[in-house]
This record gives sequence, structure tokens and C-alpha cells, in this order.
Amino acid sequence: DGGITQSPKYLFRKEGQNVTLSCEQNLNHDAMYWYRQDPGQGLRLIYYSQIVNDFQKGDIAEGYSVSREKKESFPLTVTSAQKNPTAFYLCASSIDPDPTDTIYFGEGSWLTVV
Amino acid sequence: GDSVTQMEGPVTLSEEAFLTINCTYTATGYPSLFWYVQYPGEGLQLLLKATKADDKGSNKGFEATYRKETTSFHLEKGSVQVSDSAVYFCALPDGGSTLGRLYFGRGTQLTVWP
Repeated sequence: DGGITQSPKYLFRKEGQNVTLSCEQNLNHDAMYWYRQDPGQGLRLIYYSQIVNDFQKGDIAEGYSVSREKKESFPLTVTSAQKNPTAFYLCASSIDPDPTDTIYFGEGSWLTVV
Repeated sequence: GDSVTQMEGPVTLSEEAFLTINCTYTATGYPSLFWYVQYPGEGLQLLLKATKADDKGSNKGFEATYRKETTSFHLEKGSVQVSDSAVYFCALPDGGSTLGRLYFGRGTQLTVWP
């Protein structure tokens, strides 16, 4: 079945460590996104990519990095520079970056700093 | 800029009660409007959408009508079930240069008791 796969589901990070969250989609979508969700808040955009080998910062990109070397993959690295990384991270994709298109989400990854 | 204002939660209802979750938006032009649902521990799923004024989106007994006069897209269901317990997000696309990204409301937690 087509969809978006995020891994790991749960991740614990020590202070000062970088961690990478995986996002893979087999929907043949051009556009991919990373959102962060904090309790009681909506989703905030971290990074997005409209096409392979291209990506742009969202609203809260500081302390994060991404790559888009393949159409189906859009990994997110949470660096040690991110001061408050504990959150639920959601990867998403859409056929192309059109405002009327449906955006599809993965199951999410929980990151906790210990 | 574009934004979404969503009714604060949590909302607690008995089974078979009527549900309304208010959503109003601020945007340039007439963007598409979306309702997403998030079940516990999962990512977001598209519940319904409307792409132009006066359109009614519907799915799983939920409905929302795009009303440009009141810039609203309220979610309604005539008879809720325990399985509807989830967080509901109203969203609209960025009408500016960042095509494909969504602005989300803060989410409304719905709990339905048997």
C-alpha cells in the first residue's frame, strides 16, 4: 500500500547529540514537509521541499537540517543546536506544491531529550 | 498574514450528541479549506475539504461549509460516536510564495463518552 513511513516511532536523545528522523514515501509525490507538534498547539512547519535537491526553511528551521537527495526520502536531523527538541514530529507529502492538493501525513515520531 | 482561529477545547460530549467545532480564517482571496483529524498516537488524516466558497465538504458523517461571508468553515456532526474521540485541526494553505504548506489551528480535543 502507498503511504508515508516514519522511523523510529520513539527516539530518546541525550543532550548534545544529533539525531536523524527518517521519512520515506512511495506515493510518487514531489513535495515533502516536516512539521513539529507540541502539546496543545497546532503544527509548525520546519522545512519543506518542492522537488528533489531543493528545500526551504519553514517557520522554525533553527536547529534542524534536511536533505532531499531522492524523491522518496526526506530525512530530518535534529541538531544539538535545537534547544527544546522534545516534541512529536510529522512528515508529510503532496503530489505537488499546489494549495488545493491534499497533504498526506506519516504516523509521526516522538523525540524525547533525556 | 494568513491564519486560522479554531475553537478552544477540550470538548466533551455524550454519544449521539450534536457536535460543532468553530473555525474562522483570515486569508487573501478564497483558499481551499481543510479539516484534519488526529487519533491518539497517530499522524493526521484528511477528514474533509472544500475548494471554493459555498462548497460543502463531507466525510464519515462530518460536514463543513465554506462560508466566505463569515470567513468560516465550522465542523459539524449530527450524532457523535465514541470512535470520533480525537483532535481536530482546521487548516488553510499558504496563499503566498510557500505553495503547499498549511497553516493549522491549535486543534480541538474531542472526547465522546458512551
